[in-house]
Amino acid sequence: EDKVVQSPLSLVVHEGDTVTLNCSYEVTNFRSLLWYKQEKKAPTFLFMLTSSGIEKKSGRLSSILDKKELFSILNITATQTGDSAVYLCAVSPNDYKLSFGAGTTVTVRA
Amino acid sequence: NAGVTQTPKFQVLKTGQSMTLQCAQDMNHNSMYWYRQDPGMGLRLIYYSASEGTTDKGEVPNGYNVSRLNKREFSLRLESAAPSQTSVYFCATGRTSGRPAYEQYFGPGTRLTVT
Repeated sequence: EDKVVQSPLSLVVHEGDTVTLNCSYEVTNFRSLLWYKQEKKAPTFLFMLTSSGIEKKSGRLSSILDKKELFSILNITATQTGDSAVYLCAVSPNDYKLSFGAGTTVTVRA
Repeated sequence: NAGVTQTPKFQVLKTGQSMTLQCAQDMNHNSMYWYRQDPGMGLRLIYYSASEGTTDKGEVPNGYNVSRLNKREFSLRLESAAPSQTSVYFCATGRTSGRPAYEQYFGPGTRLTVT
């Protein structure tokens, strides 16, 4: 059975801090790892990673994958209150399915 | 473009009642999915449809049925609702032709309470 574990479960930071979220996985057939942001409604897509060691960046968010050690991290620098959300990690074992972790709740205080 | 739409947004059912959750997409995607989200458990796949005319079980299919009515619409039916089915239900779509359906696009969700 595919397994995706995220840590920490939740954290509280102040504006301007840097946040690092972790995602480890065990899947029978790895194709890609995805990060989503969920703000009290539908998850929205952030990144998809398929290759080890290549960082994906979008503004203050960045993510990297380590296929040897089976984990990914998502970094958020210079956090803002708008970054408060649940961040979901998902792994795709094939063309159709995604297996999600439980998510990390990030709260950014002004 | 509406993207992915779901109806209803909220629903309260009594144990044993039945209902159908509707999902429609205008993104011309082949794959469609139904998830449920419970506190502390992330998103769990109930059923999916890789293309029109096909459906497959996901991680938690018991108590649910689905119909892929056409390329645009994918419905989820609860035949006899139970309190354990209280959850938020999300429909999602993904591309398959020409590119793997790794990215999925989610609807706004249906909050279902079974008493």
